[in-house]
Amino acid sequence: GQNIDQPTEMTATEGAIVQINCTYQTSGFNGLFWYQQHAGEAPTFLSYNVLDGLEEKGRFSSFLSRSKGYSYLLLKELQMKDSASYLCAAFDSNYQLIWGAGTKLIIKP
Amino acid sequence: TAGITQAPTSQILAAGRSMTLRCTQDMRHNAMYWYRQDLGLGLRLIHYSNTAGTTGKGEVPDGYSVSRANTDDFPLTLASAVPSQTSVYFCASSDSIGAGGHEQFFGPGTRLTVL
Repeated sequence: GQNIDQPTEMTATEGAIVQINCTYQTSGFNGLFWYQQHAGEAPTFLSYNVLDGLEEKGRFSSFLSRSKGYSYLLLKELQMKDSASYLCAAFDSNYQLIWGAGTKLIIKP
Repeated sequence: TAGITQAPTSQILAAGRSMTLRCTQDMRHNAMYWYRQDLGLGLRLIHYSNTAGTTGKGEVPDGYSVSRANTDDFPLTLASAVPSQTSVYFCASSDSIGAGGHEQFFGPGTRLTVL
């Protein structure tokens, strides 16, 4: 079956760095997305990786290893507004997105 | 630009009643999707549409139907609601299906409670 695994919840301190991991098993693979979702709101796009390596976008970076079925989202210089759920999603061979349950990130001052 | 709008924002529905959740996008995106989001589970695809006039079944289509008469609108109908359909429903759109990297844009969601 197809599956996305990511931690349920993480806690970090304002100003620190946090890494949210995601492992995936899909029938075929056509790229991996990270979305941010604040409580009660819609998911919003953060990043897309299809090739191995690190993609940096401001305070957020995303890494992909296709051979390991693994990705992570790295958040630097954490701010209180980064408190949200972070959703990992992978495109399968039919370009259907398979979603993880999300990682709730709690930022403490 | 509004992006994607959904209506209603929330609804309480008696079991057995029918209801249509509305979704409209103004980005001229070809592909549209309906998801449900339940606590502890990832977003699950109900139905999708690659382009106006075509629809397809997602992971959890039973009890739901959709239509795509034009590019902008993608309504989701519950013919006879059951309590297990209590959820938050998100409509989304993307420029296309089948080309990697096309992010999906989400509407604000409809919170549905079936009693």
